[in-house]
Amino acid sequence: GEDVEQSLFLSVREGDSSVINCTYTDSSSTYLYWYKQEPGAGLQLLTYIFSNMDMKQDQRLTVLLNKKDKHLSLRIADTQTGDSAIYFCAELPGGGGNKLTFGTGTQLKVEL
Amino acid sequence: GAVVSQHPSWVICKSGTSVKIECRSLDFQATTMFWYRQFPKQSLMLMATSNEGSKATYEQGVEKDKFLINHASLTLSTLTVTSAHPEDSSFYICSAKRGSTSTDTQYFGPGTRLTVL
Repeated sequence: GEDVEQSLFLSVREGDSSVINCTYTDSSSTYLYWYKQEPGAGLQLLTYIFSNMDMKQDQRLTVLLNKKDKHLSLRIADTQTGDSAIYFCAELPGGGGNKLTFGTGTQLKVEL
Repeated sequence: GAVVSQHPSWVICKSGTSVKIECRSLDFQATTMFWYRQFPKQSLMLMATSNEGSKATYEQGVEKDKFLINHASLTLSTLTVTSAHPEDSSFYICSAKRGSTSTDTQYFGPGTRLTVL
């Protein structure tokens, strides 16, 4: 089955860049997503990338996709304290299914 | 656009009672909604896929008689936890798919915290 892994924790200083990494195993993935979850809240869609793209930039967010290595990353430029949250990557497999497979989540802590 | 709400946001109930959680897509129609369960410091676990006008599809290991799902309209799906027990205490999150193709984005509700005493 599909497996999506993330590192558990990342700590950065305010103003620095954060890079959150994700690896997946399903080579047929069509879309890959990044979601943000703040404490006690649901998931907020941050951005997504289609599997035939290498990079997508959206304001402070840059997504890089290495399809060969099945590696996805989210870079947050000028990280702020409000960026502290858990970040989940998720992949949508090919074959027309609806089911997202979520990563284990990375807790980002932004320190002053 | 693409706002999904859940009600209630939190609920505390006694063991043995049933609890209904609503998931609404506020500004779009959703033919497909999903119900997830999240334990503390863990990822989301898909419980079932809810399709408007048809029976829900449950994931392996999820008891359909325990977690009743009804998707009566294009903007509302409900999850009823029947005869709840303390082990059912969890954070339940729904999502709604905007559009009918598999690649359409899922938008998530804010979640419902269920505590069973």
